[in-house]
Amino acid sequence: GDSVTQMEGPVTLSEEAFLTINCTYTATGYPSLFWYVQYPGEGLQLLLKATKADDKGSNKGFEATYRKETTSFHLEKGSVQVSDSAVYFCALMSGGGADGLTFGKGTHLIIQP
Amino acid sequence: NAGVMQNPRHLVRRRGQEARLRCSPMKGHSHVYWYRQLPEEGLKFMVYLQKENIIDESGMPKERFSAEFPKEGPSILRIQQVVRGDSAAYFCASSELAGVRNEQFFGPGTRLTVL
Repeated sequence: GDSVTQMEGPVTLSEEAFLTINCTYTATGYPSLFWYVQYPGEGLQLLLKATKADDKGSNKGFEATYRKETTSFHLEKGSVQVSDSAVYFCALMSGGGADGLTFGKGTHLIIQP
Repeated sequence: NAGVMQNPRHLVRRRGQEARLRCSPMKGHSHVYWYRQLPEEGLKFMVYLQKENIIDESGMPKERFSAEFPKEGPSILRIQQVVRGDSAAYFCASSELAGVRNEQFFGPGTRLTVL
């Protein structure tokens, strides 16, 4: 079945550091890939997405590129801020007909001033 | 345009009681999804509904759990005879269309605590 594996946290960085959160997947068909962010006590918000190989999703300084050859969708940001502290979830929706999103376990990101 | 609404935000039940969780999708959305987030885990898909129809309930536990999305009113996730293991955050999402390219918008969740 479909699965998503992402690096475990917490990940602690200083403000203005470079961020990478790794995400790899296993899926049937040609999935769409997503990064969601969850702030404390809130629901998930879509951060960015990519629907086909080599697409780059970007939003709020975050980027991720759909790499079919390595089945990866790593999240990057060049300079993080304290306000980026949250839990980040990598997810996929399979092109094989599954209706729900398949999520990774989440990576807790802590940015220190 | 209001987002996805869920209520209650927090729900406390004793073992053996029933829990009812409500979800109102975004205006114009006819597709609703329920997910469960256990502590320190990612979200797990439970069920996908369209108006008056259950489309996919492959992630739903076979017993005690049921879901509906009536023609009028919110979608309801019902848990009968709750147990401590049901304690989790339950998230609802909605989308305008189905399929891999249609964004699901999430509600703030209902945090269920079973005593």
